[in-house]
Amino acid sequence: DARVTQTPRHKVTEMGQEVTMRCQPILGHNTVFWYRQTMMQGLELLAYFRNRAPLDDSGMPKDRFSAEMPDATLATLKIQPSEPRDSAVYFCASGTGGNEKLFFGSGTQLSVL
Amino acid sequence: GQNIDQPTEMTATEGAIVQINCTYQTSGFNGLFWYQQHAGEAPTFLSYNVLDGLEEKGRFSSFLSRSKGYSYLLLKELQMKDSASYLCAAYSSASKIIFGSGTRLSIRP
Repeated sequence: DARVTQTPRHKVTEMGQEVTMRCQPILGHNTVFWYRQTMMQGLELLAYFRNRAPLDDSGMPKDRFSAEMPDATLATLKIQPSEPRDSAVYFCASGTGGNEKLFFGSGTQLSVL
Repeated sequence: GQNIDQPTEMTATEGAIVQINCTYQTSGFNGLFWYQQHAGEAPTFLSYNVLDGLEEKGRFSSFLSRSKGYSYLLLKELQMKDSASYLCAAYSSASKIIFGSGTRLSIRP
């Protein structure tokens, strides 16, 4: 049963620390999206990739967030330094591009104290 | 710019029908998704509309009017397990998928 795998599921850290979230897209999928979800903002698009190339990361605070795809099986989202306002659930989703639906990972629940 | 609007909350009765509306403004519009998200879980795909009209899939149907920038999700024969958030998302040029804030649907017995 193919699924998107995200790690860690939960992360508690202190303000100023670096946080790295990882995502393994479904094998064969060539698009990867990173979203952040909070009660106030809903699902916000942070960045997305096609064939490992970044298409748009305008939703990310550039000074502290970075997203990469070192290879086709791994996408990373890094926050450095983290702040309490970054506390949210971060979802990764993958798809085959075009008009295909997205498959979401279980998310990383991030709490920055 | 892009903007997607849907009601924040709705309540309906078990066995009844409910319609969740979504309006959108986006450049380079390609299609409209609906996702379901239960509390504490990830969103899961429900439907995708590209052409105008109604598409039916079991108890769920989705409608799209591209000229009006309007879509709705229709849920029939409501069950308690349908209590969830329903997210409308626009698929635009450059493969961008933007979500609305979601509609939290509560089903009462």
